[in-house]
Amino acid sequence: SQKIEQNSEALNIQEGKTATLTCNYTNYSPAYLQWYRQDPGRGPVFLLLIRENEKEKRKERLKVTFDTTLKQSLFHITASQPADSATYLCALPNDYKLSFGAGTTVTVRA
Amino acid sequence: DAGITQSPRHKVTETGTPVTLRCHQTENHRYMYWYRQDPGHGLRLIHYSYGVKDTDKGEVSDGYSVSRSKTEDFLLTLESATSSQTSVYFCAISVNGEKETQYFGPGTRLLVL
Repeated sequence: SQKIEQNSEALNIQEGKTATLTCNYTNYSPAYLQWYRQDPGRGPVFLLLIRENEKEKRKERLKVTFDTTLKQSLFHITASQPADSATYLCALPNDYKLSFGAGTTVTVRA
Repeated sequence: DAGITQSPRHKVTETGTPVTLRCHQTENHRYMYWYRQDPGHGLRLIHYSYGVKDTDKGEVSDGYSVSRSKTEDFLLTLESATSSQTSVYFCAISVNGEKETQYFGPGTRLLVL
C-alpha cells in the first residue's frame, strides 16, 4: 500500500539556521509533490508544488527538492525566523485526491 | 481560506447522536473534500465530491455519509456519533482549473462524549 513518512515529528532550531524536513514515500510514482503549512487551530495552507521533472524549486526562503529515484522530497527553510514555527505537511496526488504525511512541527527559537 | 466556511466551528455531542457538519464555498468549484485530522495520523480523507450528487469514499469513510445537493454546500453526517469520531474536521476544495492544489477551511472541532 502507499505510504508517506515525514521525518521526526518535531524539529527545534535556532533563528537564522536552516531547517531541513524530509518526506519519503513508497509504492507511489507521483507526477508531483506538494508542501503545506499548518498553524495551530487552522487549516493547512498550500506552499509549493514540485513536479517529477523538476529537481528543485524555490519560493522566497523556501527550497524544495524532489528525487524520484530515492522517492524523497526535502523541504528547506533558510534563514529561519520564529514566524516560520508551524507544522509542515507533504502531500502526494492520488487521482483527484491528496494523501498527506503526518507532518513535522518546526519550532524556531529566537 | 479561499472563501470556505465551516459550521459549526466547535461542537460537543453525546455518543449515539447524529451530527451534521457543513462546508460552504462562495464560488462554483467542482471538487470538495472532507478530512479528519488526529494526532499521529495526519489528515485522512473521509469522502469527496466531484459535482452535485457525485460523491465517493475516502480511506476512512465508515460511520460517515455525505451529501451535495448544490455546488456550494458539502455536508458531512455522522449518523451515530462515537467517541472515536472525536477529531478536527477540515473541508477543502480544489479550484477549477487548478485541481492539483487544495484550499482548506478553518476546521470544526468535534468532541463526542
